[in-house]
Amino acid sequence: NAGVTQTPKFQVLKTGQSMTLQCAQDMNHNSMYWYRQDPGMGLRLIYYSASEGTTDKGEVPNGYNVSRLNKREFSLRLESAAPSQTSVYFCASATGGGGTEAFFGQGTRLTVV
Amino acid sequence: SQQGEEDPQALSIQEGENATMNCSYKTSINNLQWYRQNSGRGLVHLILIRSNEREKHSGRLRVTLDTSKKSSSLLITASRAADTASYFCATGSNYGGATNKLIFGTGTLLAVQP
Repeated sequence: NAGVTQTPKFQVLKTGQSMTLQCAQDMNHNSMYWYRQDPGMGLRLIYYSASEGTTDKGEVPNGYNVSRLNKREFSLRLESAAPSQTSVYFCASATGGGGTEAFFGQGTRLTVV
Repeated sequence: SQQGEEDPQALSIQEGENATMNCSYKTSINNLQWYRQNSGRGLVHLILIRSNEREKHSGRLRVTLDTSKKSSSLLITASRAADTASYFCATGSNYGGATNKLIFGTGTLLAVQP
């Protein structure tokens, strides 16, 4: 069983380029999340999706867009990458949102030069 | 700003000792969870305590929650070198009936020396 799968694992972008981080879960979870992790900052919530067809902003949504394509997939898009978006990005899913255990992907290490 | 703040930021102990980490949060919550992260890996769920619970145990883990002080603690007893990791608290709360956000704290880096 795969759990939460993120692609790619590593990416280097030039400033101004765009890209989409993909996330898929096979646990039939309703809620999905995107976080970024920077040294000393812990995990900060970018966007989350309570269910298919809904998305909401988290703590640091600026510069990002998301799509909940279906129940399995939740993508994060950087339209015009900036060096400040260099980070490790984690996708997570949960059965019922913040009230239940969240399962995490292995992360995408993104560097913007 | 982030919901949870962990204390201490870093902790170094000897194998066999107990490790205590604290978490303070800002708003009302439905539950509080603790997660572990090994270097460079995704987070793994350890334990969840609901807002109407005061203490919970799971193996060598003991979690307490004091909603009046908006704080929680995680105790790891008889620590092992394999417990070396970062530990995060996360709060789940309901905003106006909408599904819960899950907001993480800044983490405690635990080093257990063999």
